[in-house]
Amino acid sequence: QLAESGGALVQPGGSLELSCAASGFSFIESDIHWVRQASGKGLEWVGRIRTRAKGYATASAESVRGRFMISRDDSKNTAFLIMNSVKMDDTALYYCHSAPDDGVDIWGQGTLVTVSS
Amino acid sequence: SFELSQPSSVSVSPGQTAKITCSGDVLAQKYVRWFQQKPGQAPILLIYKDTERPSGIPDRFSGSTSGTTVTLTISGAQVDDEADYYCYSAFDTYRVFGGGTKLTVL
Repeated sequence: QLAESGGALVQPGGSLELSCAASGFSFIESDIHWVRQASGKGLEWVGRIRTRAKGYATASAESVRGRFMISRDDSKNTAFLIMNSVKMDDTALYYCHSAPDDGVDIWGQGTLVTVSS
Repeated sequence: SFELSQPSSVSVSPGQTAKITCSGDVLAQKYVRWFQQKPGQAPILLIYKDTERPSGIPDRFSGSTSGTTVTLTISGAQVDDEADYYCYSAFDTYRVFGGGTKLTVL
């Protein structure tokens, strides 16, 4: 299972940190992705962090690059999405997602981020 | 950047076959996953590696591929299959979703 938390109302230009707590699968061996969905819109891939074995490599979508960072704490089975310089367009439900094996696919229920003054 | 194109909507009557396409140049070399999403719910994986079905997914959901287009086929569509469907693939270090297809069964 994955469980997101940390969503909140934040002002434009502000910062926020989302958490994704994992259980029931081998977190340390699994890449973690963040996906977002604005109300009434489609799914948008935000970014991912690979495992320790893959050097904790990160990648992110062009829309958030340079503003959002992804990290993980394997000792706590938790991944993080650090959002800086947020914009109104970042308003969305944020999911974390992992596919630890072929045919195995895990999503959280999402945490809502609202960017508004 | 790369893009995956899907029709915005598909409509079928109950019992008919629904086909949802996903097109993109990268699909000639990369696998696609298909997700189903119902309102207020997280996505569910229907198909991976273009044609493989996870355990627990009914066999009326199937995937096929031809060149740069992959297709999700729902045989004998049911009212309960009304949902948004997304294709998803990778390119280099990045991932992308198609724009989504709203399936109406009525």
